Amino acid sequence: DAGVIQSPRHEVTEMGQEVTLRCKPISGHDYLFWYRQTMMRGLELLIYFNNNVPIDDSGMPEDRFSAKMPNASFSTLKIQPSEPRDSAVYFCASSPSGGTSGANEQFFGPGTRLTVL
Amino acid sequence: QKEVEQDPGPLSVPEGAIVSLNCTYSNSAFQYFMWYRQYSRKGPELLMYTYSSGNKEDGRFTAQVDKSSKYISLFIRDSQPSDSATYLCAMYDYKLSFGAGTTVTVRA
Repeated sequence: DAGVIQSPRHEVTEMGQEVTLRCKPISGHDYLFWYRQTMMRGLELLIYFNNNVPIDDSGMPEDRFSAKMPNASFSTLKIQPSEPRDSAVYFCASSPSGGTSGANEQFFGPGTRLTVL
Repeated sequence: QKEVEQDPGPLSVPEGAIVSLNCTYSNSAFQYFMWYRQYSRKGPELLMYTYSSGNKEDGRFTAQVDKSSKYISLFIRDSQPSDSATYLCAMYDYKLSFGAGTTVTVRA
């Protein structure tokens, strides 16, 4: 199994541009999570999906952020327009189950390092 | 105040030393307690988890949870240079809440 796949691995863009991050979860996992990691705030949950349905988006910082999961094998996180304070590493993670037992492991992808100039 | 507090370090120890890491928390609803390890430029990976209070041992790693004090610990015995990483505590009620992570360097 290839694990969670994220693309691109690095993204450098200018303020105001649209950024789209992509994630392919592990096959058979029905939960998908998007996290953001910064030195100042650590690892923060942005949104998570169960069976392609968004369950909790309370961590999405503002309306400039949106996430979709059109099918079980693909999700996107979009920032439009991007701002320098969005610079961070964005992780996607998947889990075979995550709603009722914290013991179920979340598998993280390698992350996308986003720099907004 | 954050729900989960963790000293970011950094922590530098000689090879063979015992590494002691800890986190405190404020949410009494947390039931599952985890430690993730994150190597540089990689995603976090689950190292250990415990349910409620108690100890759990896995090889050189021991996790302890004291719910009465809202305090969890991770001990690494006979530390190796390959243990050099950032260690994040994480706690679960209906979602995972992570500590800031402690960066550990084990010197050969």
